[in-house]
Amino acid sequence: DGGITQSPKYLFRKEGQNVTLSCEQNLNHDAMYWYRQDPGQGLRLIYYSQIVNDFQKGDIAEGYSVSREKKESFPLTVTSAQKNPTAFYLCASEGLSNTGELFFGEGSRLTVL
Amino acid sequence: GENVEQHPSTLSVQEGDSAVIKCTYSDSASNYFPWYKQELGKRPQLIIDIRSNVGEKKDQRIAVTLNKTAKHFSLHITETQPEDSAVYFCAAKKGRNYQLIWGAGTKLIIKP
Repeated sequence: DGGITQSPKYLFRKEGQNVTLSCEQNLNHDAMYWYRQDPGQGLRLIYYSQIVNDFQKGDIAEGYSVSREKKESFPLTVTSAQKNPTAFYLCASEGLSNTGELFFGEGSRLTVL
Repeated sequence: GENVEQHPSTLSVQEGDSAVIKCTYSDSASNYFPWYKQELGKRPQLIIDIRSNVGEKKDQRIAVTLNKTAKHFSLHITETQPEDSAVYFCAAKKGRNYQLIWGAGTKLIIKP
């Protein structure tokens, strides 16, 4: 069953802790993205990667880090430097040949206690 | 850079009536315009998209129109149903190596 999988679905973190959100896809897509969504708001781009071992900052990269060691995987680390990390995080991959259509995971909801 | 504006931010329509959401974009080089639907707490899902070489595309009760001269595109939903209640996002993309630029979203409320 092809798709994009995010885990965990819910995550609680104490202030000062780093957490890593997992994103895996078996669609053979080259491009992958991380978005942040705050309640009642739109999608803001954190990081994106168009090819293995390469990634670029999006609009709100401060306090976040990523890696792209495998085509299938694009984990996001929310570091302690991110001052307001409570949000809904969405991972997406882009259709073959970068056609534009994004396929989203189900999201990870991070709450800082 | 590209900027996408979406209106209205909230739209309330009677069940069975039509709904129209409009987006304007700034970069005339944009050539791909998708619409995503996001139900509460769920992931966004593509419902329809259009490329700059066509002016209109329909899929059952949903249609998208594109006016390249005016740089705007619109989502039309006819015969609205309760399950159409969601947030709708428009976006624009210039080409292969560019990112999607998103509108702020429209919350569509279908009144029974």
